[in-house]
Amino acid sequence: GEDVEQSLFLSVREGDSSVINCTYTDSSSTYLYWYKQEPGAGLQLLTYIFSNMDMKQDQRLTVLLNKKDKHLSLRIADTQTGDSAIYFCAEVGSGGGADGLTFGKGTHLIIQP
Amino acid sequence: SAVISQKPSRDICQRGTSLTIQCQVDSQVTMMFWYRQQPGQSLTLIATANQGSEATYESGFVIDKFPISRPNLTFSTLTVSNMSPEDSSIYLCSVEGMVGSEQFFGPGTRLTVL
Repeated sequence: GEDVEQSLFLSVREGDSSVINCTYTDSSSTYLYWYKQEPGAGLQLLTYIFSNMDMKQDQRLTVLLNKKDKHLSLRIADTQTGDSAIYFCAEVGSGGGADGLTFGKGTHLIIQP
Repeated sequence: SAVISQKPSRDICQRGTSLTIQCQVDSQVTMMFWYRQQPGQSLTLIATANQGSEATYESGFVIDKFPISRPNLTFSTLTVSNMSPEDSSIYLCSVEGMVGSEQFFGPGTRLTVL
């Protein structure tokens, strides 16, 4: 079955880069997503990557995909206090956006001053 | 991205009652989904809300407990029936974006069952 794994916590200093990692098991995954959830708020789609790509960059965000190892990472450059949130990795199967997503448990990003 | 609203934003309900949650989108969308986020947990897909036909439920979720309506391409409801404290969760709807590969989420409905 499908499974998405993430570390529960990551602590970084303000100004450093944050790298949040995710592994998944469904080899038929077509899209992989990163969502951000701030305390008491809904889910914000940060970025997503198609499975035939290995990298996507969007301003401070860089997504790396290693399809062979089924490993996805999100790098946040110059981490700020506003980046403090839970980051969820999610994947969808061959139906693309027509299918529901399978989520990891989320990584709590903690920013140290 | 689509603008998604949910009503109510939160509610406190008594055991044994039912609550209907509404999800409204500002544009027509083909795919709508309902998720549950239990306290401190990740999101779990409940069902796909199909327009014009019955919802498609994921393993562990049944229509009698979570009836879903999808009368048109901009609106859906999820009912949580015969509630128990274990149903206390945030319930979120999501929609497929214009690009098709994106999925956007509503703000969620925070349900507490006493």
